[in-house]
Amino acid sequence: QQQVKQSPQSLIVQKGGISIINCAYENTAFDYFPWYQQFPGKGPALLIAIRPDVSEKKEGRFTISFNKSAKQFSLHIMDSQPGDSATYFCAASKTRNAGNMLTFGGGTRLMVKP
Amino acid sequence: GAGVSQTPSNKVTEKGKYVELRCDPISGHTALYWYRQSLGQGPEFLIYFQGTGAADDSGLPNDRFFAVRPEGSVSTLKIQRTERGDSAVYLCASSLKGTASSYNEQFFGPGTRLTVL
Repeated sequence: QQQVKQSPQSLIVQKGGISIINCAYENTAFDYFPWYQQFPGKGPALLIAIRPDVSEKKEGRFTISFNKSAKQFSLHIMDSQPGDSATYFCAASKTRNAGNMLTFGGGTRLMVKP
Repeated sequence: GAGVSQTPSNKVTEKGKYVELRCDPISGHTALYWYRQSLGQGPEFLIYFQGTGAADDSGLPNDRFFAVRPEGSVSTLKIQRTERGDSAVYLCASSLKGTASSYNEQFFGPGTRLTVL
């Protein structure tokens, strides 16, 4: 059972454009929704995260929009730059035993063309 | 400061062999996680340690997989009788201890790429 579904699998955006990646989850017990950025040969790095009691969170060029009733959340990258080219993963977490095990989506490979 | 380190960076082994993968977390991080990332997919949770004990091992695929963290710092993931399907990147992450109402960022290492021939 895939608990977090991510789309699209790949995305090509022109420099300066807006990149939008969508995720949907099934388990309503999830209480934390981070986005990770991964470059080839590197581990994922936290980009931005949101809790379900907030509908939107913005940090610089990155914005998460969260729709609790629809069980969906999305990442918007404004003014996309070639350096943003990477694979992006949404994730969901439920605190358990003082830990936050992450359930990841399948990833979106973003390419920003100069 | 130093991040999470993992050794080796690459490991090639033959089917049926035993392998050990090492993770050195960020100093002071009591929580340690292992994930497995197959090619073109998102990481999948394997096991979580809080201090020396495995607090959640629900992600381990079968009893060929085992992990330890004897002193609450370095952790070793052990895979017995490796199979070709075990080929993947094994990621380790560490964080401060969480609480019921907080989330602490997980810092990932670069991973160990395991190839089983």
